[in-house]
Amino acid sequence: AQKITQTQPGMFVQEKEAVTLDCTYDTSDPSYGLFWYKQPSSGEMIFLIYQGSYDQQNATEGRYSLNFQKARKSANLVISASQLGDSAMYFCAMRGGMEYGNKLVFGAGTILRVKS
Amino acid sequence: EAGVVQSPRYKIIEKKQPVAFWCNPISGHNTLYWYLQNLGQGPELLIRYENEEAVDDSQLPKDRFSAERLKGVDSTLKIQPAELGDSAVYLCASSPTRSPYNEQFFGPGTRLTVL
Repeated sequence: AQKITQTQPGMFVQEKEAVTLDCTYDTSDPSYGLFWYKQPSSGEMIFLIYQGSYDQQNATEGRYSLNFQKARKSANLVISASQLGDSAMYFCAMRGGMEYGNKLVFGAGTILRVKS
Repeated sequence: EAGVVQSPRYKIIEKKQPVAFWCNPISGHNTLYWYLQNLGQGPELLIRYENEEAVDDSQLPKDRFSAERLKGVDSTLKIQPAELGDSAVYLCASSPTRSPYNEQFFGPGTRLTVL
């Protein structure tokens, strides 16, 4: 079975500072993908960043980077230079290999609040 | 490029009434998903379509939920009859057949309230 754990129900960060959102995962499949999505109050899930299980380097997308530690089964999201518009719910998700189709398994999410 | 479109955005119904949600995926996306998101939780997959074929409906409560994707484009998710516990956000997503990540693109969701 696949499982995603996000242990931080909520986080605060000061504007312009960096913040790390934790995510650990569990799977027996050697081939998998890890995603981070942002869900603002409007409800739409916005894709942020992707890390493949065989990728050698940590993924980066603008102010977002993924700290991928395969041995520890963690895939933490780092947001640099936080902005007020980053306040939202953040979900970590995992997609398994062929056996699991393209099914995404989501964590419970972390609410991020950016303070001015 | 237009995103995933869902309607209605909000729906309030009495229990035991039927309800239907509509989704129009991004043009050219062959894979379509319906997710259920309860308050304070992550989305959970209900059903996945590859074109017009439902390839994973193992988590769809088939006694009251049904879905269809005629012609492999738009999709409708139906609940009949609705129960109080069905109050949630219903998200539709689509993904292209070929993409580097097979990332899923989500619509804004339909927030259902069952009274």
